[in-house]
Amino acid sequence: KAGVTQTPRYLIKTRGQQVTLSCSPISGHRSVSWYQQTPGQGLQFLFEYFSETQRNKGNFPGRFSGRQFSNSRSEMNVSTLELGDSALYLCASSPATGDETQYFGPGTRLLVL
Amino acid sequence: KQEVTQIPAALSVPEGENLVLNCSFTDSAIYNLQWFRQDPGKGLTSLLLIQSSQREQTSGRLNASLDKSSGRSTLYIAASQPGDSATYLCAVEDDYKLSFGAGTTVTVRA
Repeated sequence: KAGVTQTPRYLIKTRGQQVTLSCSPISGHRSVSWYQQTPGQGLQFLFEYFSETQRNKGNFPGRFSGRQFSNSRSEMNVSTLELGDSALYLCASSPATGDETQYFGPGTRLLVL
Repeated sequence: KQEVTQIPAALSVPEGENLVLNCSFTDSAIYNLQWFRQDPGKGLTSLLLIQSSQREQTSGRLNASLDKSSGRSTLYIAASQPGDSATYLCAVEDDYKLSFGAGTTVTVRA
């Protein structure tokens, strides 16, 4: 099976712009989660989706949003980018059928200038 | 709020030595605990998952234990190799989210 894929892998934006990141889970996986990784804060949970429903959301401002499609693919959007949004954004998928192992993608590295 | 702590923050050992990585968490109401490995600039690779009802899991040279009541987990890596050099992260799952520790960066010297 193919692993979790994330696009794009690298992105450079300027302050005030918005960005959309995409995640395709492993085939058959219905749960998708997003995490932000920075040197200062480490790995922080953004949100989790299962069957197009957000089941949990982390402590991030409303500028961060996400959604999941019927084929389990997910997107996250960050509006009005700030310098502090520069980070590695990681997506993880899980079968959510009793086996809750999280499989992570390679991440999207976002640089905000 | 769940707090996850990993000790030590960094570890350097000669090849062949056994590694012991520690993880502690403040809220014992977890669904499971997972150990990951991360290479520089890369995503996370799952190593072991321990369900909350389990005490340990083993995979090859890796063994992880879980003591939920005391809020502790230990990852043992036997006979370390230079290829084991990476950052190891512990994460506890609750309410569909993972809470991560800051990681232990391991260097295995040839």
